[in-house]
Amino acid sequence: QLHLQESGPGLVEPSETLSLTCSVSGGSIDIGKNYWGWIRQPPGKGLEWIGNIFYSGSAYYNPSLRSRVTISVDTSKNQFSLELDSVTAADTAVYYCARSDYDSWNGYWDYFDYWGQGILVTVSS
Amino acid sequence: QSALTQPASVSGSLGQSITISCTGTSSDIGTYNYVSWYQQHPGKAPKVMIHEVSKRPSGVSDRFSGSKSGNTASLTISGLQSEDEANYYCSSFTTSTTLVFGGGTKVTVL
Repeated sequence: QLHLQESGPGLVEPSETLSLTCSVSGGSIDIGKNYWGWIRQPPGKGLEWIGNIFYSGSAYYNPSLRSRVTISVDTSKNQFSLELDSVTAADTAVYYCARSDYDSWNGYWDYFDYWGQGILVTVSS
Repeated sequence: QSALTQPASVSGSLGQSITISCTGTSSDIGTYNYVSWYQQHPGKAPKVMIHEVSKRPSGVSDRFSGSKSGNTASLTISGLQSEDEANYYCSSFTTSTTLVFGGGTKVTVL
């Protein structure tokens, strides 16, 4: 059974960089059948897609966050990570990592079938 | 990119059927069949209920069904049960090689 677990600081100061890691167990991140993604949810609000990455490092980002986001992958550790620069209170949210189904024939990714439990990150001084 | 449009809330009585709409554009739902629906209970991670417009993952009740017409996708829950009370989100792949979610719909079982 695949398991994803987010880790990182729960409190980040304004203007600093938010850094989170997703550790994947029960399966390999580099088999090329999936993309791996980050999704966030501000308290009481809806889901927002942040970005997806392939094991090769090919990444796609939400245009509204692209200037501040970097997603990277470390296949040796079976992990992928999120960095969000210059955070403000508006970045306070539960951050989820998830596995995305990948249609390799067409080059499209589809639904998220496995999710981490989520980690609340608060931006405050 | 703009979020897909969902009604804020939908309600129904036990045993009834309800339908949640998800309206996008020709840049997302109108072009691709990569439309998914997620159920989220308070404090829990989302769970996929439907993918590729109408496909149900293993273990998801056949009371959940999906469809699409033009730029609008729909999720129907038949035989409404108390455990169906949750928030539901749609999502779609886009022509910009991104993913967009809907704003979410709160389903209340009366």
